[in-house]
Amino acid sequence: DVKVTQSSRYLVKRTGEKVFLECVQDMDHENMFWYRQDPGLGLRLIYFSYDVKMKEKGDIPEGYSVSREKKERFSLILESASTNQTSMYLCASSIYSGAPYEQYFGPGTRLTVT
Amino acid sequence: AQKITQTQPGMFVQEKEAVTLDCTYDTSDQSYGLFWYKQPSSGEMIFLIYQGSYDEQNATEGRYSLNFQKARKSANLVISASQLGDSAMYFCAMSTGGFKTIFGAGTRLFVKA
Repeated sequence: DVKVTQSSRYLVKRTGEKVFLECVQDMDHENMFWYRQDPGLGLRLIYFSYDVKMKEKGDIPEGYSVSREKKERFSLILESASTNQTSMYLCASSIYSGAPYEQYFGPGTRLTVT
Repeated sequence: AQKITQTQPGMFVQEKEAVTLDCTYDTSDQSYGLFWYKQPSSGEMIFLIYQGSYDEQNATEGRYSLNFQKARKSANLVISASQLGDSAMYFCAMSTGGFKTIFGAGTRLFVKA
C-alpha cells in the first residue's frame, strides 16, 4: 500500500519559532509538494520538488523554505513562525511525467501558531 | 490565468440517491487533466477520478463518474447511490502537465440517513 507520512498530525508553536514539517513517501516518486489548506481557499501550493536538492516556488512561498536531501523526504521549514501561518499543511507526491498525474497525499499537519 | 471554480460550498443528499458536484475550469491550454479528490474528516486527500482533455469518453470509477463537457469547461462529479461514508469535502483540480495542479475551494457533502 502506497504511503505518504507526515511527522505530526497536530503541532502548536509560538510566534518566532523555527518550525520543521517532515514528509516521507515510500513510492519512489520524483515529485513532492507542500500545500497549505485554508477554509474557502482550497489547497495552495507553497513549494514543490522534482528531484533531490531541486525545488521550485509555488504560489505562496513567502515565509517558507524547503529541503530535499533524499528522494523520499521533503521538509517544509517556517523560518520564523507567525500567527498567519496557522493552517493545515498537506504533503503530496507523484511520479514524474510530462502528462497530468494524480498526487498521493499525507494525512496533513494542523499547525497552530500562538 | 488558470482557475477552478466550485460554486457549492455545501450539499445535502439522501442516502442511496445520486448527487452531482459542480466544477468549472478555465485554461487556455489544449492539453490538461481534471481530477477529483475526496477529503474525509481524517484529513487525508484521496484521489477519486481523472479525465484527460482529449478523452472522448467520460471517466468512471465504480460509483463515481465525471460528466465532462469540454465546450462548457465543466467537469462535474456524479456520485451514484450515496453512502454515509461519502460525507466529506470534495475538491476538483486541474493540471496542464508538469508539476503544477490547481485546486478549487471544495464542496462539503453531507449524506443523510
